Order: sequence, then structure tokens, then C-alpha cells
Amino acid sequence: DAGVTQSPTHLIKTRGQHVTLRCSPISGHKSVSWYQQVLGQGPQFIFQYYEKEERGRGNFPDRFSARQFPNYSSELNVNALLLGDSALYLCASSSGLPWPYEQYFGPGTRLTVT
Amino acid sequence: AQTVTQSQPEMSVQEAETVTLSCTYDTSESNYYLFWYKQPPSRQMILVIRQEAYKQQNATENRFSVNFQKAAKSFSLKISDSQLGDTAMYFCAFMKHVLNAGNMLTFGGGTRLMVKP
Repeated sequence: DAGVTQSPTHLIKTRGQHVTLRCSPISGHKSVSWYQQVLGQGPQFIFQYYEKEERGRGNFPDRFSARQFPNYSSELNVNALLLGDSALYLCASSSGLPWPYEQYFGPGTRLTVT
Repeated sequence: AQTVTQSQPEMSVQEAETVTLSCTYDTSESNYYLFWYKQPPSRQMILVIRQEAYKQQNATENRFSVNFQKAAKSFSLKISDSQLGDTAMYFCAFMKHVLNAGNMLTFGGGTRLMVKP
């Protein structure tokens, strides 16, 4: 079975631009979470979606938004990019809520803002 | 809010020896879960071991075991018989148990472990 997939692998954007990152969960998983990992730091929680509803939001500005589609894939959107948004963006899927079902992480998308 | 602290930014160990990675956390919750994740240089994060706070018995997974001290809010990871493939960043993570809420992970800053031949 395929694991969590994310696209693109890398991208480079300019300050002020907009970016969309995509995530496909493991087949059968209904929950998707997004994390930001700045170089040299631990991941920080951005959003969680379950059954297409937002179930959690981290301490990130409104420039960050996300959604989940009927097939449980997800998009993370970031507007008005800042240099500080440069990071590895990780997507994790799990089979459900509320119990701590294991979260399976994707390989991440490396975003560089210049 | 929960915080997770890993006080050892880097560690090294000789192949076949044992190493212990430290983690402390701060929370007012009584029901929660603790995890150790491994992130090899290829970046994909994988779960190493999990501990439920209500369980007194320390979790073990093959060469990996934890020392969970709930009163001290300490959760260390012991790797026995270290192998070259254990070289990675290790993250300690916390998840509170809240019914019908999200299951977000709060991560520590990580410990870079290098296993030397």
C-alpha cells in the first residue's frame, strides 16, 4: 500500500506570493494533519482535518488555511509568503479520532521563500 | 499549553552500545500519550514507541524502551545494541487525550543521534 504522499517535493517562491501544498493520505485514513518544521527545530502543528471538518488549529496566522476534499486528500495554502515561512511542511494521516491512532507522516514539501 | 523539552541537541554512541535520550514535558493534563519519533536524513518521520500515561509499565519495542516517570514528567528513550541505521533525529512528542477533539502532537526540539562504527 502507498504511504502518505505529498507534492511537490520542493518549491521556491518569492516573498508575497501564494503557495498550495498537497497531501494524499493512506487509503482508508480519514484524518490529515499539517505540521511546519523549520530547519533545526521540531515540527509545529498547523491544522488537523477529520471527515472534511477542521478539528484543530495551531498558533499560525490567518495567511495559513487548509481544506480536505471528499476523497480525504488535503491542501495547505499559504498567502503573502514571508521569508520565515521557509520550512519543511509535513502532512500526517491517521485512521480516525479521537483515540491516538498512529500518525503516518509523508516525506514533506521543502518550501524556500526568497 | 503543553511544552516538550529535549535537553540534548546532539549525542553519539558506538555501534552495539546503549544510549539514552532525555525528554521532559510540562502539562496539567492527567490523560495523555507520549511518543518517540525518528526522522532519518531522508526526512520521513516514523513512530518508534508510544506510552499511555495511565499505564505504569514502561513500553518496549525490540531494542527500544522507555523510562516513563509520570510524577517527574520525564520520558526517556533507551536504545540498546545501537545500529548504524539508528542514526537520525529523534523527537519526543506529547498528545493530550481529549474526547472528540483533534489529536495534535506537540514536539520537542529534537536530539541528533549519530551511531559510530
